[in-house]
Amino acid sequence: AQTVTQSQPEMSVQEAETVTLSCTYDTSENNYYLFWYKQPPSRQMILVIRQEAYKQQNATENRFSVNFQKAAKSFSLKISDSQLGDTAMYFCAFKPRGTGKLIFGQGTTLQVKP
Amino acid sequence: DSGVTQTPKHLITATGQRVTLRCSPRSGDLSVYWYQQSLDQGLQFLIQYYNGEERAKGNILERFSAQQFPDLHSELNLSSLELGDSALYFCASSQRDRGIAGNTIYFGEGSWLTVV
Repeated sequence: AQTVTQSQPEMSVQEAETVTLSCTYDTSENNYYLFWYKQPPSRQMILVIRQEAYKQQNATENRFSVNFQKAAKSFSLKISDSQLGDTAMYFCAFKPRGTGKLIFGQGTTLQVKP
Repeated sequence: DSGVTQTPKHLITATGQRVTLRCSPRSGDLSVYWYQQSLDQGLQFLIQYYNGEERAKGNILERFSAQQFPDLHSELNLSSLELGDSALYFCASSQRDRGIAGNTIYFGEGSWLTVV
């Protein structure tokens, strides 16, 4: 079965500091996509960053970057210069190519402290 | 704003009743997905439609059904509601099923369903 594991239920970081959220996944697929979604208190699901499995270069979106280790099946999210608005639950998600199903991890609640 | 529109945003109904949740995908997106987020089950994939046809089915109960119309909007019908059906129901959409763009799923703001 394909699974996504986020081992850190809760994390906190000081404003302007850097934090890394962990995610591992299990699959026998070779072609797939990985995502991080942010869910603030409003409960909206917001796409943060995405990565194609066949691209070795790590994706970057402004202050957000990933460390994708395909062999280790690891996909961590680094948030630089943390801002109060980054306070949210973050979900790691896996999607096999050509299927409709996003498989989510359990989520990590991140609190950014002033 | 993801461009995915869901109505209603909040809904309170009694057990045994039936409700319909509506979704308009992003302009140009052919795929529509429904997800359920509850406290004990996390985010669960329910069903996907692509250009009017059912493409994939997940953990959708038999009491639930969905369809996608010719104008690509979708409806999720929930019937014989139980207390455990209380959850946040997300609609999401994506482009054609190719490449990173086709496999990136954008979520609406969700419909809060409370069954009392």
